[in-house]
Amino acid sequence: DAGVIQSPRHEVTEMGQEVTLRCKPISGHNSLFWYRQTMMRGLELLIYFNNNVPIDDSGMPEDRFSAKMPNASFSTLKIQPSEPRDSAVYFCASSLGGRGYTFGSGTRLTVV
Amino acid sequence: AQKVTQAQTEISVVEKEDVTLDCVYETRDTTYYLFWYKQPPSGELVFLIRRNSFDEQNEISGRYSWNFQKSTSSFNFTITASQVVDSAVYFCALSETGTASKLTFGTGTRLQVTL
Repeated sequence: DAGVIQSPRHEVTEMGQEVTLRCKPISGHNSLFWYRQTMMRGLELLIYFNNNVPIDDSGMPEDRFSAKMPNASFSTLKIQPSEPRDSAVYFCASSLGGRGYTFGSGTRLTVV
Repeated sequence: AQKVTQAQTEISVVEKEDVTLDCVYETRDTTYYLFWYKQPPSGELVFLIRRNSFDEQNEISGRYSWNFQKSTSSFNFTITASQVVDSAVYFCALSETGTASKLTFGTGTRLQVTL
């Protein structure tokens, strides 16, 4: 099993540009989570899906952020337009029934 | 609402010392899971342990041990004979059981082990 796969590993973009982060969960897992990690706020949940349906997006900072899960094997987190304060490490995790959570390696986003 | 508190922001120890990382949690559910994750300097989140709320037995895995006490809502983590490779940020986390349960993290404890 390849684990949770995130791409890209690093992304540097200019303020105002659109950024798309990608995640492939573990096959068979039915829940997918997007977390953001910053020094100031720690690890915070942005949104999570169960069976491809968004369950709770209350952690999404503002309308510039959107997430989709078109099928069980793929999810995207999009920021449009990006701002310097969006710079962080974004983690994707998947789970089966909430019993265990496997995290991807993260995407380090830098907005300049 | 669920909450996890890790009061120790940073701990420094000398190699071979024992160290305990504290974790206190809050939840209204009677059934839940508790976790510990390690985040080494490379940045990935490494799963260490999951504990079901119905299982209060302490667990030992090599130099690592965990003490779960429901009465005090604590799930503490002890590293015996610490090593430099143990230097990392350690996160305690909580999830309420269910088909779709979010994982709530504490703020983490940075452990620095020096020679």
